[in-house]
Amino acid sequence: EAGVAQSPRYKIIEKRQSVAFWCNPISGHATLYWYQQILGQGPKLLIQFQNNGVVDDSQLPKDRFSAERLKGVDSTLKIQPAKLEDSAVYLCASSLLGGRSSDTQYFGPGTRLTVL
Amino acid sequence: SQQGEEDPQALSIQEGENATMNCSYKTSINNLQWYRQNSGRGLVHLILIRSNEREKHSGRLRVTLDTSKKSSSLLITASRAADTASYFCATVNQGGKLIFGQGTELSVKP
Repeated sequence: EAGVAQSPRYKIIEKRQSVAFWCNPISGHATLYWYQQILGQGPKLLIQFQNNGVVDDSQLPKDRFSAERLKGVDSTLKIQPAKLEDSAVYLCASSLLGGRSSDTQYFGPGTRLTVL
Repeated sequence: SQQGEEDPQALSIQEGENATMNCSYKTSINNLQWYRQNSGRGLVHLILIRSNEREKHSGRLRVTLDTSKKSSSLLITASRAADTASYFCATVNQGGKLIFGQGTELSVKP
């Protein structure tokens, strides 16, 4: 079974530029998550989709971050414009159903973003 | 904000020794999960313990949960160099939202 795919794996940009990350979840998984992991910290949930609807985006800085999950499968996360403090690893995860405490989330390898 | 605090932040042991990592949290939970993250890679789910369970085993892993103290521990027995990684606890509420601690960096020397 293929895992969660993410691209690109690495991205270096200058501050105020825009960047987009792509995620393809495990086939059949209804729920998709985007996390931000700053160096030395645990992942922090940015946004959770259930199919193509947003369940939780309370931690998403909406002035610069946006995300969409068209057709309930792939998802893109965009930052525009980027700030130095956005340097982090952006992890995508998916779970079969979501919204249940016993669900296991499966993580992709992440995209390491460096903002100069 | 992060729910859990992990202790120690870093741990270095010899192969064959046991490694113990601790996690404390603040609010009530439905379950607590432990994840491993190898350098530059995604997180891998290790084990889940429900709030009504006190201990759980999976291979060389042993997890305990004390809800009265709001704490959990992960024990890795007979460690191997391949166990070198960062380990995170994550508390889970009724809706399934994961809130991670800051992690323990484990180094197992051959």
